[in-house]
Amino acid sequence: AQSVSQHNHHVILSEAASLELGCNYSYGGTVNLFWYVQYPGQHLQLLLKYFSGDPLVKGIKGFEAEFIKSKFSFNLRKPSVQWSDTAEYFCAVKEGAAGNKLTFGGGTRVLVKP
Amino acid sequence: DAGVIQSPRHEVTEMGQEVTLRCKPISGHDYLFWYRQTMMRGLELLIYFNNNVPIDDSGMPEDRFSAKMPNASFSTLKIQPSEPRDSAVYFCASSLHPPGQGAPEQYFGPGTRLTVT
Repeated sequence: AQSVSQHNHHVILSEAASLELGCNYSYGGTVNLFWYVQYPGQHLQLLLKYFSGDPLVKGIKGFEAEFIKSKFSFNLRKPSVQWSDTAEYFCAVKEGAAGNKLTFGGGTRVLVKP
Repeated sequence: DAGVIQSPRHEVTEMGQEVTLRCKPISGHDYLFWYRQTMMRGLELLIYFNNNVPIDDSGMPEDRFSAKMPNASFSTLKIQPSEPRDSAVYFCASSLHPPGQGAPEQYFGPGTRLTVT
């Protein structure tokens, strides 16, 4: 079965620091990849997604992610975080071209100190 | 659009009682998903529908859980009887998946926080 691993469960950093969150998946075929964010007390929102084409994907709020097929990875990055980026971040994978089922990683809680 | 609507937002009930969670997807969306989020297990897909038909219910934990989608604008998730370990936040999400277009975004509702005492 498909699995999605987010190795960092908690990340604490200061404003203006750079952020990189790891995401690895196990499926060897075609995948669609997503990063969702959940701000405190709110529902999940899409940050960015990869479908095809350029493996470097830019999303909202200055986030970007790079799909490295050989490493089965889709790491999320932001060069300079703000206090408002405090949230939980979820990587998700849709395997194959058909269907619409996402498998989510366990999430990474990010705390940005002002 | 008002987005995905879920009710109630909070539910506190006693063990053994029946609980019904409700979801109204975004109008025109053809997929509807039910997720459960807990600290221990993270975000789990319970079941999803396509055009009101259940496609994959492999995530439904046991027979106490059931979900229905009688029409394109309404779905319910029922737990009967409820147990303390069912305490979690239950999210509903919907998406539109035009043929030939991959990676549709799932739009999540605000969730229902269920506490079973």
